[in-house]
Amino acid sequence: NAGVTQTPKFQVLKTGQSMTLQCAQDMNHEYMSWYRQDPGMGLRLIHYSVGAGITDQGEVPNGYNVSRSTTEDFPLRLLSAAPSQTSVYFCASSYSTLRGYYEQYFGPGTRLTVT
Amino acid sequence: GQQVMQIPQYQHVQEGEDFTTYCNSSTTLSNIQWYKQRPGGHPVFLIQLVKSGEVKKQKRLTFQFGEAKKNSSLHITATQTTDVGTYFCAGLMWNSGGSNYKLTFGKGTLLTVNP
Repeated sequence: NAGVTQTPKFQVLKTGQSMTLQCAQDMNHEYMSWYRQDPGMGLRLIHYSVGAGITDQGEVPNGYNVSRSTTEDFPLRLLSAAPSQTSVYFCASSYSTLRGYYEQYFGPGTRLTVT
Repeated sequence: GQQVMQIPQYQHVQEGEDFTTYCNSSTTLSNIQWYKQRPGGHPVFLIQLVKSGEVKKQKRLTFQFGEAKKNSSLHITATQTTDVGTYFCAGLMWNSGGSNYKLTFGKGTLLTVNP
């Protein structure tokens, strides 16, 4: 069981470039989400998905796109990178029932710098 | 919007002193989860509270969920250097703008311990 994996671990982009952060889980979790973490701001939800084919916006979705074609994968796309998107990005997954979501399993994170 | 407020933002203690962090929500929560993030690491699940007035203990850590299910606390007795890190609460609430649940993290409390 690999848990939640994220690639790459580190990335440097120039302003205007696009890229995809990869996230995969092997626990058959329905719920997956993306967070960004900035100093003093805690974990802010970017996008989330409650199952394959279903995605929704979180607190800070602008500048990011997601899709969920399989249960396992939930990639995050930066359309045109900006310095304000310099951050640490975490992907998380959990079981989902009619009563909500439970223990979140986080990936190791991707440290992104936009120059 | 629906928020989870966490205080204090920082806490520095001498080893052996107690530590408490508090979370308050503007909305009734379905459950509250607590996470610990070591410096340079990713958040790791500690516990989940579901019932009104629930109290759970893990060795020196005591977690409480308020009677109204809008507030929670984490108390550490006799801190050790291994307790260093950021402690996050995350409240699960019904998304009033949609038709699903929303998990909202507090900004976290950074605990440092002087040996």
